[in-house]
Amino acid sequence: QVHLVESGGGVVQPGGSLRLSCAASGFTFSNYGMHWVRQAPGKGLEWVAFIRHDENDKDYAESVKGRFTISRDNSKNMLYLQMDSLRGDDTGLYYCAKDQPPHSNGWTDYWGQGIRVTVSS
Amino acid sequence: DFQMTQSPSSLSASVGDRVTITCRASQGINKFLAWYQQRPGTVPKLLIYGASTLQSGVPSRFSGSGSGTDFTLTISSLQPEDVATYYCQNYYFTAPFTFGPGTKVDI
Repeated sequence: QVHLVESGGGVVQPGGSLRLSCAASGFTFSNYGMHWVRQAPGKGLEWVAFIRHDENDKDYAESVKGRFTISRDNSKNMLYLQMDSLRGDDTGLYYCAKDQPPHSNGWTDYWGQGIRVTVSS
Repeated sequence: DFQMTQSPSSLSASVGDRVTITCRASQGINKFLAWYQQRPGTVPKLLIYGASTLQSGVPSRFSGSGSGTDFTLTISSLQPEDVATYYCQNYYFTAPFTFGPGTKVDI
């Protein structure tokens, strides 16, 4: 049973930083790419970042490039999102999601429950 | 810039109706397209990948078609539990893995 559990969200002032974590279980984490996807209140889904299974490629949405950093620790089955220079429009629910198929990039077949990030003074 | 569009943005239909949602990519993406369902207050759920392959466990009333730039999601007989917002997503271009804006389906 695949489980993805996000943590690390909260309220932060504009310009501040947060580090999101995602604990993965129920699959061979090191074989799969992983994504972060966010959803602003009442809005649609926005893809944020992707990391290959072996960390050899990382991709970012233009809206977060240079401010957010995706990383992973395959020895701990953990995914991370370091968010710096946060802005009001970064507010939302952040999901980690598992990619499919293995050793490639494709669609997302499992999502965590999401963690809320609020950027406000 | 690469974009995904969906139409309509919302629709209302009756139980048993056939519902079709369209997704268009601004550049050809072969069949590298997925569809997701997000019921109110819940996590998005994968319905279809490869433009037409049904994810395991998804009811057969859902189907997908298309290739290149134009894609459709069809619900053959709308059920009350299908009330949701539906999103398409490209995975041909990895940066970005763009989602469409969504189509809200009501009964």
